[in-house]
Amino acid sequence: AQTVTQSQPEMSVQEAETVTLSCTYDTSENNYYLFWYKQPPSRQMILVIRQEAYKQQNATENRFSVNFQKAAKSFSLKISDSQLGDTAMYFCAFLKGGSEKLVFGKGTKLTVNP
Amino acid sequence: GAGVSQSPRYKVAKRGQDVALRCDPISGHVSLFWYQQALGQGPEFLTYFQNEAQLDKSGLPSDRFFAERPEGSVSTLKIQRTQQEDSAVYLCASTKRPIQETQYFGPGTRLLVL
Repeated sequence: AQTVTQSQPEMSVQEAETVTLSCTYDTSENNYYLFWYKQPPSRQMILVIRQEAYKQQNATENRFSVNFQKAAKSFSLKISDSQLGDTAMYFCAFLKGGSEKLVFGKGTKLTVNP
Repeated sequence: GAGVSQSPRYKVAKRGQDVALRCDPISGHVSLFWYQQALGQGPEFLTYFQNEAQLDKSGLPSDRFFAERPEGSVSTLKIQRTQQEDSAVYLCASTKRPIQETQYFGPGTRLLVL
């Protein structure tokens, strides 16, 4: 079974600075997808970024980018120019190719300080 | 259009009561998912529908949990004889197509069993 590990339960960053959230996963699959979801205090889970394992190029979405290291099974999220609205729980998630069942990590609580 | 909606947003039940949680997916979305999120944890998969067919219910924790989607749109998650360990946030998600699509989440229903 696949597992997703987020080793940082909580992190904080100053507004306008850069922060990196780490995620590692364990799988024997070669075809899969990785996601970062953001869950603000209102609890609506929002997709931040998505990466297909077959793509070597790291996904980017405005201030959000990932460092996908397939051999190391690592998928970290970098948030540049942090904003107060980035304060939220961030979940890393894994989706096996051919499956529809997302496997989530336990999350990292990010606080952006003014 | 509107996002995924869930009702009620909050539910308090006495131990032993039956509860029903509703999910309205994004209009036209084929697939629908239920997740359970315990306090301080990431969401865990419960079950998955493609249209009205329940294709995977491997995550349902016991036979007290039952989900349906009779017309392929709205879904109901029913928990019979609730127990304190059922207290959690129940998240619903939907996707436009059934294959490896990004899941869009609703705000969740917070269930507290006393």
